[in-house]
Amino acid sequence: DAGVIQSPRHEVTEMGQEVTLRCKPISGHNSLFWYRQTMMRGLELLIYFNNNVPIDDSGMPEDRFSAKMPNASFSTLKIQPSEPRDSAVYFCASKGQGTAYEQYFGPGTRLTVT
Amino acid sequence: GIQVEQSPPDLILQEGANSTLRCNFSDSVNNLQWFHQNPWGQLINLFYIPSGTKQNGRLSATTVATERYSLLYISSSQTTDSGVYFCAVALTGANSKLTFGKGITLSVRP
Repeated sequence: DAGVIQSPRHEVTEMGQEVTLRCKPISGHNSLFWYRQTMMRGLELLIYFNNNVPIDDSGMPEDRFSAKMPNASFSTLKIQPSEPRDSAVYFCASKGQGTAYEQYFGPGTRLTVT
Repeated sequence: GIQVEQSPPDLILQEGANSTLRCNFSDSVNNLQWFHQNPWGQLINLFYIPSGTKQNGRLSATTVATERYSLLYISSSQTTDSGVYFCAVALTGANSKLTFGKGITLSVRP
């Protein structure tokens, strides 16, 4: 299995630009999670989907952030407009059915907003 | 929300030494995972261990759910064990989201 795939691995953009991060979960997994890692706040959950439906988006920082999961094998996290404080590593994770399964993380996307 | 505390925050070992990393959590959980974040930033799954004991090579983990703590043991440490070790938990119930501790930074010196 290829594991969770994220693209791009690195993104450098200027303040005000739109940024789109992509994730392909492990085949057969039905839950997908977006996390953000910063020095100040550590690893925190932004949003998660179950069977392509957003279940909890309480961690999404503000309206500039949006996430979609149009099908079971693809999800996007979009920031529009981006700001320097959005600079972080964004991880996508997936897990199988049920609450008692482990999550597997992708390699992350390192975002730098200048 | 649930609180996750890891200790010690930093650990320096000589190659070959053993260590114990601790994770305390404040509520009942149905998921507890240990991760190793390597120097390249990748989060590597070590253990899925909401209760009981597991071993994988030089690593082992024990979770005592009734007392709300988990321990990760590293034996005969190697320089490649360096990095940050995270404990993450999910509350019992329908909620699947993981709450992470702040991590333990381990440096293993040759």
